[in-house]
Amino acid sequence: QLQLQESGPGLVQPSETLSLTCTVSGGSLNSKNYFWGWIRLPPGKGLEWIGSVYYTGNTYYNPSLKSRITISVDTSKSQFSLKLTSVIAADAAVYFCARLVPTGDYATGGYFDHWGQGTRVTVSS
Amino acid sequence: SYVLTQPPSVSVSPGQPASITCGEDNLRIITVHWYQVRPGQAPVLVLYDDRDRPSGIPERFSGSNSGHTATLTISRVEAGDEADYYCQVWDSRGDRPVFGGGTKLTVL
Repeated sequence: QLQLQESGPGLVQPSETLSLTCTVSGGSLNSKNYFWGWIRLPPGKGLEWIGSVYYTGNTYYNPSLKSRITISVDTSKSQFSLKLTSVIAADAAVYFCARLVPTGDYATGGYFDHWGQGTRVTVSS
Repeated sequence: SYVLTQPPSVSVSPGQPASITCGEDNLRIITVHWYQVRPGQAPVLVLYDDRDRPSGIPERFSGSNSGHTATLTISRVEAGDEADYYCQVWDSRGDRPVFGGGTKLTVL
């Protein structure tokens, strides 16, 4: 059964860079049929898509975060990663990684069918 | 771009039906997906493509989409259904998924 597990520091200082990794097991990251994404849930707010990556390394970012994020994939390690620079208090959230099932062409639809349990990130000095 | 409106909260007694709506005033909702989110747990996809249930999701969960309002219905609510529920659509103009604000389902 496919499993995703987020890892990374739970505490990040303001203005620093947040780095998270998602390890995929029980399935292949190196699949033409899926994309892989990061989503976050800030306290008291709703889910927010951060960005997605294809096994080829092609990336898709939320315009509101695009200037600060980098998502990469390492198929040899079955991992994909998120880097968020210049972290501020509003970036505090539970960060989830998930598998994205595209419906047709990526640009026309998709949903997240498997999720990790999430990792809580606090922003504080 | 899409702005999906969900009621902040819905309360229902065990055994009663619960409906959670997801509305968009201007744009047509082509296809909607629904997630169940419990604290400390991995979110769960409960419906995709408006009304399809992934393996393992009880038949009590059903969905509909009238174009500007999508609805998740739980026919006979159980205590274990208490969670936050989010709808999600795809914004093809922005090439990105968009989530609703979430609805907290409380089982009385």
